[in-house]
Amino acid sequence: EIVLTQSPATLSLSPGERATLSCRASQSVSSYLAWYQQKPGQAPRLLIYDASNRATGIPARFSGSGSGTDFTLTISSLEPEDFAVYYCQQRSNWPGTFGPGTKVDIK
Amino acid sequence: QLQLQESGPGLVKPSETLSLSCIVSGGSISSNTYYWGWIRQPPGKGLEWIGSIYYSGSTYYNPSLKSRLTISVDTSKNQFSLNLSSVTAADTAVYYCARLYSSGWYSDWGQGTLVTVSS
Repeated sequence: EIVLTQSPATLSLSPGERATLSCRASQSVSSYLAWYQQKPGQAPRLLIYDASNRATGIPARFSGSGSGTDFTLTISSLEPEDFAVYYCQQRSNWPGTFGPGTKVDIK
Repeated sequence: QLQLQESGPGLVKPSETLSLSCIVSGGSISSNTYYWGWIRQPPGKGLEWIGSIYYSGSTYYNPSLKSRLTISVDTSKNQFSLNLSSVTAADTAVYYCARLYSSGWYSDWGQGTLVTVSS
């Protein structure tokens, strides 16, 4: 089983700052990685798929990069609505597993 | 606009079977582009894939739940269902149904339903 590790567990930032979230896989998942955003009381929302492709309707401030075992989600300038938990998901072995999440909270 | 809605009891007794349905509206469950899945999230914890199904009935289960799990599809009602037997407190979670691309990404989610296992 492929295990995903996310760091940091919590990221405390101010609106307007840049957020950099990391997801590491225990073995190569090629580019088969997605990122989801989850706000309290809501279902997750797909942000990025295939490591770097934004899903429909996702603002350009969200970007993804990486391949193999190391991936990054970058939020270029945090908006108030971006404070949430972010999960990565791999589907190298379909339909895949989720990482433990990174919480982005307000500093 | 695709919508998914989970339905089922919010309280299940230990050792009994947890049964949920997901009603799909605004799109056909028989699409050959998508699969349909169940994901759960224990309170305050992360996401766990439970299992997925194709409209033809092909199923894919989380190995850790496989012995207790049945997922089925009813194309005539445009819905799919989850049965998890012999539940314990560890099965307490918010259960989500979702649509996923054949590529494996979850594109649409239901709002989730909290199921508590308690006597």
